[in-house]
Amino acid sequence: GESVGLHLPTLSVQEGDNSIINCAYSNSASDYFIWYKQESGKGPQFIIDIRSNMDKRQGQRVTVLLNKTVKHLSLQIAATQPGDSAVYFCAENKNTGNQFYFGTGTSLTVIP
Amino acid sequence: KAGVTQTPRYLIKTRGQQVTLSCSPISGHRSVSWYQQTPGQGLQFLFEYFSETQRNKGNFPGRFSGRQFSNSRSEMNVSTLELGDSALYLCASSLGWGLETQYFGPGTRLLVL
Repeated sequence: GESVGLHLPTLSVQEGDNSIINCAYSNSASDYFIWYKQESGKGPQFIIDIRSNMDKRQGQRVTVLLNKTVKHLSLQIAATQPGDSAVYFCAENKNTGNQFYFGTGTSLTVIP
Repeated sequence: KAGVTQTPRYLIKTRGQQVTLSCSPISGHRSVSWYQQTPGQGLQFLFEYFSETQRNKGNFPGRFSGRQFSNSRSEMNVSTLELGDSALYLCASSLGWGLETQYFGPGTRLLVL
């Protein structure tokens, strides 16, 4: 039969602008979250992580915000570059060892 | 430090056959997790090994199995392949077990004809 792919949210930004990618997670008891970047033909690449005892964490050009009240996670990319074009996934750990649950992903396209 | 390596990178099989995929974790990492990625289902957890023991298992049929060796290398096996098993199989390694950062390998692209 015909397979139906996941509906992948898309985001297009101009080079140099800031990008914000959002993710809703499912389990209020989840303690650990990771953002991954996946380029075509490659495995997911770790970007930044955050634990539930924090609400913000910054890396190089990236910031993750965690809002436990509404179970929402966001990834902010400053001064977005063409090399940032990829699919971005949020992953949550529901306190089950190293088992992570992944969101459907957001496809980011940077327009030069 | 070398990253996670997976072999083979590409594989073509026919229905009914079986396949074994291999994963070498980052040096010093003792936990290996496997995921299946398809356009229809996204990234789904298969199983996780730590110290040669399966610690968690996802919702996949018994045709999917795995093991981990004393050097932390892991293999996964899929028997009686079905068309729907066509996917990118990803291995991720972590230092220990429990709320650990996972680092992914490049994946093995399996095509079942």
